[in-house]
Amino acid sequence: DTAVSQTPKYLVTQMGNDKSIKCEQNLGHDTMYWYKQDSKKFLKIMFSYNNKELIINETVPNRFSPKSPDKAHLNLHINSLELGDSAVYFCASSQGKAQGVGNTEAFFGQGTRLTVV
Amino acid sequence: AQSVTQLDSQVPVFEEAPVELRCNYSSSVSVYLFWYVQYPNQGLQLLLKYLSGSTLVKSINGFEAEFNKSQTSFHLRKPSVHISDTAEYFCAVRRFSGGYNKLIFGAGTRLAVHP
Repeated sequence: DTAVSQTPKYLVTQMGNDKSIKCEQNLGHDTMYWYKQDSKKFLKIMFSYNNKELIINETVPNRFSPKSPDKAHLNLHINSLELGDSAVYFCASSQGKAQGVGNTEAFFGQGTRLTVV
Repeated sequence: AQSVTQLDSQVPVFEEAPVELRCNYSSSVSVYLFWYVQYPNQGLQLLLKYLSGSTLVKSINGFEAEFNKSQTSFHLRKPSVHISDTAEYFCAVRRFSGGYNKLIFGAGTRLAVHP
């Protein structure tokens, strides 16, 4: 059983389009994340949600809008895609309480390779 | 604020040779440290972690890392590598901010094992 699953795995689209990436975790975790990995493999957190509530937003352009319908899902919608958005996007989840106690390791999905042409 | 420095972007090594991937962190508070591995075209997998207790932590596939507080390091080692260990390795530190946690990653080290 896949713990953190993302769809699609690959996404090729033209500049200016709007696209979504879906993420689901079946680990019962309270917290979910989106990370962006650039062409140099550098990983940076974008967003974090705890029980459907946004708790971390790392100065990501507002073209990126995460949505969490329930604590097991965190989707990422991107409007007006730009060439610089090309990257691998990773969803992750971790166990933890609202105040972060016990929130340690993160479990990652397989990633979505987004290519904007 | 916590940050992570991986000193080597690439480490080439021959099969069955020992390897060390270096990681240094900066933190003024208690530290939780992690090593993640990313095999080609795959997601990140947790390799090992230090939360507390013994400073030497081991993974099931022969890797180990030692938390060294005085040197603020968490280097990853393996005495004898295999071709299958070829991957990108990321060191990470947990940062606690605003009541919540997030992982801060280093830039990664590409381990290339040659026959």
